[in-house]
Amino acid sequence: DADVTQTPRNRITKTGKRIMLECSQTKGHDRMYWYRQDPGLGLRLIYYSFDVKDINKGEISDGYSVSRQAQAKFSLSLESAIPNQTALYFCATSKSGGTGFQETQYFGPGTRLLVL
Amino acid sequence: KQEVTQIPAALSVPEGENLVLNCSFTDSAIYNLQWFRQDPGKGLTSLLLIQSSQREQTSGRLNASLDKSSGRSTLYIAASQPGDSATYLCAVRLNTGNQFYFGTGTSLTVIP
Repeated sequence: DADVTQTPRNRITKTGKRIMLECSQTKGHDRMYWYRQDPGLGLRLIYYSFDVKDINKGEISDGYSVSRQAQAKFSLSLESAIPNQTALYFCATSKSGGTGFQETQYFGPGTRLLVL
Repeated sequence: KQEVTQIPAALSVPEGENLVLNCSFTDSAIYNLQWFRQDPGKGLTSLLLIQSSQREQTSGRLNASLDKSSGRSTLYIAASQPGDSATYLCAVRLNTGNQFYFGTGTSLTVIP
């Protein structure tokens, strides 16, 4: 089984609709991230959470909200979807450490979202 | 803001060739740099992570180097194989803040 799972894998929605993308992980990591990927722009960070009570905005948080329901679950919501939110969305996890920690990020398979 | 650039955007090579992928970044105050591989329909897979104090890391046929002062990293792939075909991304984490900045990637095709 995959360590980082995302649901749904594909989603088509209409402008103005509220949708939620979900991420679950079995790696036991404390840190979780949401990114979006657009052609020619690379991955950009939307939100990140270093533990259940610590949520931070990333580079492009406008129009998005998140919820960290448990250490293993991190959801991304689009309150009122718009066409320029059409993108590939990735969840990632990493584990914090002590001195000299290495923060390799582990990615889910992605959710392809189309907003009409 | 950190800008991360990867050149070329696409590369096609015959099987068996050695190749180099480039990554450049504008802010040299980095904490670490990671190279990822992305396959269609799949997420990113971490290949190598270099801490700011390191000059290179090796894993199998892959070798990544880091030159902070010039803002450059290279990923060297030896004896390329068709299975190496994928998009390769580099990502930089700064000393301040907790964000990774990604490049736009190099799409590699290895021709049998």
